[in-house]
Amino acid sequence: GQQVMQIPQYQHVQEGEDFTTYCNSSTTLSNIQWYKQRPGGHPVFLIQLVKSGEVKKQKRLTFQFGEAKKNSSLHITATQTTDVGTYFCAGAMDSNYQLIWGAGTKLIIKP
Amino acid sequence: DTGVSQNPRHKITKRGQNVTFRCDPISEHNRLYWYRQTLGQGPEFLTYFQNEAQLEKSRLLSDRFSAERPKGSFSTLEIQRTEQGDSAMYLCASSFLTGATDTQYFGPGTRLTVL
Repeated sequence: GQQVMQIPQYQHVQEGEDFTTYCNSSTTLSNIQWYKQRPGGHPVFLIQLVKSGEVKKQKRLTFQFGEAKKNSSLHITATQTTDVGTYFCAGAMDSNYQLIWGAGTKLIIKP
Repeated sequence: DTGVSQNPRHKITKRGQNVTFRCDPISEHNRLYWYRQTLGQGPEFLTYFQNEAQLEKSRLLSDRFSAERPKGSFSTLEIQRTEQGDSAMYLCASSFLTGATDTQYFGPGTRLTVL
């Protein structure tokens, strides 16, 4: 079936280090969205990418959508404790635009 | 607050009992989704509505689960004869589909514990 694979499952970083999570789809996406879920919270929408090769930035966060619209990445520069949480990608694949969710990447700041 | 609301926030029940959860979406949103999430996992799609029509239901979903959205506004999710494996966070999300955009706004969830 249609799948969105997201890696890694966890990433431990020192505060100030960078963080990256990757999503790959088995089929071409119409768009991809990114969500953040803080511990104990619910997913919160971050951004949507629609165009092939699109790059969007939100302060220290950089989101990319691949040329083939099958992969995407989220890169955080100089992580801070407020970045802690799980980052999910969710791709829309067909005409009804229902989202298929990745399994998430948990960002953990080393003490 | 005009966000998505869910009630109750927590529900503890005994195995075999029926439970019902309610979701009130953002006003004017035409789509409503139900997800289930267990610890360390991403949201698992259960079902969704466009207005009052239930357009899709997960093939993995037991027939003990049923959802309604009678007037295209709030929705209820009922689980009959609960099992311990049903223990999870049940999330509701709503969206307004325009063109290629279906950004989902989540409620706080209902945490179900089946004893």
